[in-house]
Amino acid sequence: KQEVTQIPAALSVPEGENLVLNCSFTDSAIYNLQWFRQDPGKGLTSLLLIQSSQREQTSGRLNASLDKSSGRSTLYIAASQPGDSATYLCAGQYNFNKFYFGSGTKLNVKP
Amino acid sequence: DADVTQTPRNRITKTGKRIMLECSQTKGHDRMYWYRQDPGLGLQLIYYSFDVKDINKGEISDGYSVSRQAQAKFSLSLESAIPNQTALYFCATSDPGLLNNEQFFGPGTRLTVL
Repeated sequence: KQEVTQIPAALSVPEGENLVLNCSFTDSAIYNLQWFRQDPGKGLTSLLLIQSSQREQTSGRLNASLDKSSGRSTLYIAASQPGDSATYLCAGQYNFNKFYFGSGTKLNVKP
Repeated sequence: DADVTQTPRNRITKTGKRIMLECSQTKGHDRMYWYRQDPGLGLQLIYYSFDVKDINKGEISDGYSVSRQAQAKFSLSLESAIPNQTALYFCATSDPGLLNNEQFFGPGTRLTVL
């Protein structure tokens, strides 16, 4: 079974800091990797999707990278803001029909 | 307007009751999914459907059933609810074509089984 791990489980940073969230996966035969944001009691909002043939994707202050050989993806958030406080989940897609989710990193950006 | 909607948003029920959670989407996607999320854990796939005639079990399908009434509607049923089915339930859709099967989620249904 594919496993997706996110470390740390929680992270607290001061406003303005650049930060990196980590996602590890055990099976390198990944089709794509998707990063989500989840606010308390809410659904998941898709942030970025990286195809297996790509190495990174960028959207505004967010940059996600994918390294299949090492089984790692990172989500870089530049100049963090209190509004970035949320839980960030990564999900690896395999066989074009199965998604495996990490348990998330809960981010708190302090004003 | 939300592209993926779920009803109800919150439900409290008793052990042994039959419960149906509904999901509708206006994205025109063929693929739909049901997940559950437990505190501190990742999402686990319950069932998925690639079109109206296609239903597939996910990792944790025991105790659940689904119905794909139309391209836009996918319902999840708990035939006889039990307390360990207390969780947050999410519906999602995807399109394997232009969007590389990117998943889009509904707002979730918080289910409590007493």
